[in-house]
Amino acid sequence: ELKVEQNPLFLSMQEGKNYTIYCNYSTTSDRLYWYRQDPGKSLESLFVLLSNGAVKQEGRLMASLDTKARLSTLHITAAVHDLSATYFCAVELQGGSEKLVFGKGMKLTVNP
Amino acid sequence: DAGITQSPRHKVTETGTPVTLRCHQTENHRYMYWYRQDPGHGLRLIHYSYGVKDTDKGEVSDGYSVSRSKTEDFLLTLESATSSQTSVYFCAITRTGAGGYTFGSGTRLTVV
Repeated sequence: ELKVEQNPLFLSMQEGKNYTIYCNYSTTSDRLYWYRQDPGKSLESLFVLLSNGAVKQEGRLMASLDTKARLSTLHITAAVHDLSATYFCAVELQGGSEKLVFGKGMKLTVNP
Repeated sequence: DAGITQSPRHKVTETGTPVTLRCHQTENHRYMYWYRQDPGHGLRLIHYSYGVKDTDKGEVSDGYSVSRSKTEDFLLTLESATSSQTSVYFCAITRTGAGGYTFGSGTRLTVV
């Protein structure tokens, strides 16, 4: 059974600071996704990582995937208040169903 | 944005009553999914569909049934609603091989 763990689950940080959050998963997969959710809203796709070593960047966020370590990181550079949200990673089950297993999500608060 | 809509957006119902949530897509995608989101649990898969009349259970399927009689519609039914089914329900679609989901806006269901 695939399990996906995110840490930390809650993060409060100051504007301008850097931080890395982690997503570990328990069984083989080479497809991982990051989503953002604002309070009361739906999930919005941030990054699609489809192979070992994949790195994607969008603004102040950069995501990477190490399939051998079963680990993805989401690095925040010079945080701003607008990044405050909940971030989910999700890992695709192998076998063709394209089912995703989600982590519990990390709630990020960026303080001025 | 992909054409995916959920209805209703909010619903309050009484324990023991049946409830049906609707997910409608205009993208002709093969795969459709129902997830529930609860604090501390992230998103958990209830049921999914890989084509008309082809459905399968997810990890939290007890108390739920689904139907897909047309490509565009995926219905989730709570056969006899319980308070433990109070949650936010998200429908998602994916294009085969594209990687990742597009989510509907969600349905907030309260069972009293």
